[in-house]
Amino acid sequence: GAGVSQSPSNKVTEKGKDVELRCDPISGHTALYWYRQSLGQGLEFLIYFQGNSAPDKSGLPSDRFSAERTGGSVSTLTIQRTQQEDSAVYLCASSSGGLAGGYQETQYFGPGTRLLVL
Amino acid sequence: AQSVTQPDIHITVSEGASLELRCNYSYGATPYLFWYVQSPGQGLQLLLKYFSGDTLVQGIKGFEAEFKRSQSSFNLRKPSVHWSDAAEYFCAVGVKSGNTPLVFGKGTRLSVIA
Repeated sequence: GAGVSQSPSNKVTEKGKDVELRCDPISGHTALYWYRQSLGQGLEFLIYFQGNSAPDKSGLPSDRFSAERTGGSVSTLTIQRTQQEDSAVYLCASSSGGLAGGYQETQYFGPGTRLLVL
Repeated sequence: AQSVTQPDIHITVSEGASLELRCNYSYGATPYLFWYVQSPGQGLQLLLKYFSGDTLVQGIKGFEAEFKRSQSSFNLRKPSVHWSDAAEYFCAVGVKSGNTPLVFGKGTRLSVIA
């Protein structure tokens, strides 16, 4: 596609429910990133996928958070047993993945999913 | 680990006036530095980046930034602001190996008045 797309745009859920957020990266990009943007805060890194390598999960805040990337393209971020502090905008980004050190590449961001946990 | 500070939470400038957004970083070696912009309801877009070489970096939309090692700064500038520049601006710092995540500042919100 032309850019990174994310769905849904907005999600309202009740505390304790599970949610799934989807990211479609730019076609051909092998690197994919998830970030969390809370009100008044910068971007908090969550997880990074690069090709067939094991993902860097060092930013996941708890074991309620998980992500997968199927077929090296679409990624799903799952939050189990949501809490009110999970309310935030979840941003996905992709990059070409051509460099050995992926984090230095230009990242292309999607518009985000705004999650509200009641 | 690297860190980045954007001292100004919110800045208001008049259209046509000059702009400088501050960014200070902390890292033991020469970092990679980025400026991203986020318009309302949009994802982030890269304005410019510094990896090495000339410390004055030109970016898109008429923006530039200068890397000053002695001050650990990477301030973003524009000589004449347009109303469409109203957005949130994020500075980010990375390491040369590229094998650890970027660290983003908390952002500076820019408002432009007529």
